[in-house]
Amino acid sequence: AQSVSQHNHHVILSEAASLELGCNYSYGGTVNLFWYVQYPGQHLQLLLKYFSGDPLVKGIKGFEAEFIKSKFSFNLRKPSVQWSDTAEYFCAVNALAGTALIFGKGTTLSVSS
Amino acid sequence: EPEVTQTPSHQVTQMGQEVILRCVPISNHLYFYWYRQILGQKVEFLVSFYNNEISEKSEIFDDQFSVERPDGSNFTLKIRSTKLEDSAMYFCASTRTVNTGELFFGEGSRLTVL
Repeated sequence: AQSVSQHNHHVILSEAASLELGCNYSYGGTVNLFWYVQYPGQHLQLLLKYFSGDPLVKGIKGFEAEFIKSKFSFNLRKPSVQWSDTAEYFCAVNALAGTALIFGKGTTLSVSS
Repeated sequence: EPEVTQTPSHQVTQMGQEVILRCVPISNHLYFYWYRQILGQKVEFLVSFYNNEISEKSEIFDDQFSVERPDGSNFTLKIRSTKLEDSAMYFCASTRTVNTGELFFGEGSRLTVL
């Protein structure tokens, strides 16, 4: 069965600091990878996704993620965070397009101005 | 921008009572999902629904749970006899095509079972 691990439960940063949130998955086959974000009081929304091709994917609001197949990782990065990035971030995976998304536990990011 | 809407936003119920959570997916979407998140835990898949039938369900989705699309717009999750451990945030999601992998989520319904 697939599983997703997010290493950081709560990350606290100052504005302009760089961000990296870890995500590892366990599954031996081909996967599709996603990062979702949930801003306070809002619904989950897609930040970025990887299906195939260039392992470095760019998403909205300056976020990017790198798929490293050998490490089963899909870490999320942003060079300079803003206060408005305060949110909960979820890594998710599905093994085949159309099967259920499996989520990690989420990482809460708090950015102070 | 079209969105997935869920009602109620918060429901408090007594253990053993039936609860129905409602969702209105985006109108031209064909695939529908329920997820839940117990406080402090991961977002867990419950069930997916396509073409008026369940296409996939998790171990959590036992006989206590059922889903229905009673008309062309609503997608409901029923919990027959609620337990304390059913307390969670329940998220509905929809997508037009599974190929993109992007699910559109509602804001969630918080269920508190006393």
